[in-house]
Amino acid sequence: DTAVSQTPKYLVTQMGNDKSIKCEQNLGHDTMYWYKQDSKKFLKIMFSYNNKELIINETVPNRFSPKSPDKAHLNLHINSLELGDSAVYFCASSQDRVKGGYTFGSGTRLTVV
Amino acid sequence: GNSVTQMEGPVTLSEEAFLTINCTYTATGYPSLFWYVQYPGEGLQLLLKATKADDKGSNKGFEATYRKETTSFHLEKGSVQVSDSAVYFCASYSGNTPLVFGKGTRLSVIA
Repeated sequence: DTAVSQTPKYLVTQMGNDKSIKCEQNLGHDTMYWYKQDSKKFLKIMFSYNNKELIINETVPNRFSPKSPDKAHLNLHINSLELGDSAVYFCASSQDRVKGGYTFGSGTRLTVV
Repeated sequence: GNSVTQMEGPVTLSEEAFLTINCTYTATGYPSLFWYVQYPGEGLQLLLKATKADDKGSNKGFEATYRKETTSFHLEKGSVQVSDSAVYFCASYSGNTPLVFGKGTRLSVIA
């Protein structure tokens, strides 16, 4: 069983489209995250949810809207896609307030053309 | 806030060479420190961690020691293999802030 699973793995779409990426974790963790990895491999936090509540929202355009229907799922919806949105998006989860490592999904490579 | 600085790559080594990837951190308080590894086409995997000063994390022949006096957490391996070729990320975590990553160091090991 995959601990943190993201779908789709690859996504190619045209500018202006709206798309969603789904993430599910079966670890029973309380906190989930979305990170963006750019072409230079730099990883930057986008959002963090704890028990379905948004706790961190970094400087991300409001075209990006996370949704957490329950604590095992954190989906990312992106409106009006732009070329600069092309990146690899990673979902992760952690047990809240435990100084352990995060568990990452395998990533979604988004290419906007 | 927290930040992590690691040496820029790429680093190219011959098999069985000694590896050091430098990492320093800035943080309020005493963060937990991590090394993650990303193999080509894959997500990030936790390699090792240390949660307090003088702790040594180790896994798969890699080691890193949490040095409070130099605010460092350098990654070392005595003898690298071709299969160690990957991107390595140093990261720190403190309190309620999310995990903060360094910019990554690409390691290529040639036979």
